[in-house]
Amino acid sequence: GAGVSQSPSNKVTEKGKDVELRCDPISGHTALYWYRQSLGQGLEFLIYFQGNSAPDKSGLPSDRFSAERTGGSVSTLTIQRTQQEDSAVYLCASSLAGLGTGELFFGEGSRLTVL
Amino acid sequence: GENVEQHPSTLSVQEGDSAVIKCTYSDSASNYFPWYKQELGKGPQLIIDIRSNVGEKKDQRIAVTLNKTAKHFSLHITETQPEDSAVYFCAASDGNYGGSQGNLIFGKGTKLSVKP
Repeated sequence: GAGVSQSPSNKVTEKGKDVELRCDPISGHTALYWYRQSLGQGLEFLIYFQGNSAPDKSGLPSDRFSAERTGGSVSTLTIQRTQQEDSAVYLCASSLAGLGTGELFFGEGSRLTVL
Repeated sequence: GENVEQHPSTLSVQEGDSAVIKCTYSDSASNYFPWYKQELGKGPQLIIDIRSNVGEKKDQRIAVTLNKTAKHFSLHITETQPEDSAVYFCAASDGNYGGSQGNLIFGKGTKLSVKP
């Protein structure tokens, strides 16, 4: 596939459980972003990876949220002890940031529902 | 940090009319301003962008204007069509976008409905 791939597309979990959301960026893209989109809200920045630099974690809402990017490619967003307010669509995007282009390519998102 | 405000939150126009969406930003260092369109069930997609050394940019029926002094930028869609119906997001760079640091801060979106 040529686009950003996210899995699962839908996840329903019980309050207190941990969840992992996966993102496969476009091959060769050095930058990877996670955003959260709650109902009727905009795109809330969570975390940004760029090459081998330390990630920008300034958007993570609490210490229950963490993310990794292994080998400069696949990324996993982990939410521990989920709460109902974590219910949202989690969007991943990648780009060729650093090479002069600015376009973010988004996946279709992972819809998380916490019961 | 950067803060982006977007108005209106919803906009309904008749097919063929023009639509204008406005955004303001807070960080005078921001230098990159893209617009994204999000159709139902899909991720946002870039439709047009503008950098701070340019005041206006056009692409067919879409145009974006930037006023750096006032720190606001606008999206203009002319001759709207039903397929333009979507949620539109503006964004502003947060510092050195495209370099070793950098981030995009998005507005809350505008739901555009084009009535046939």
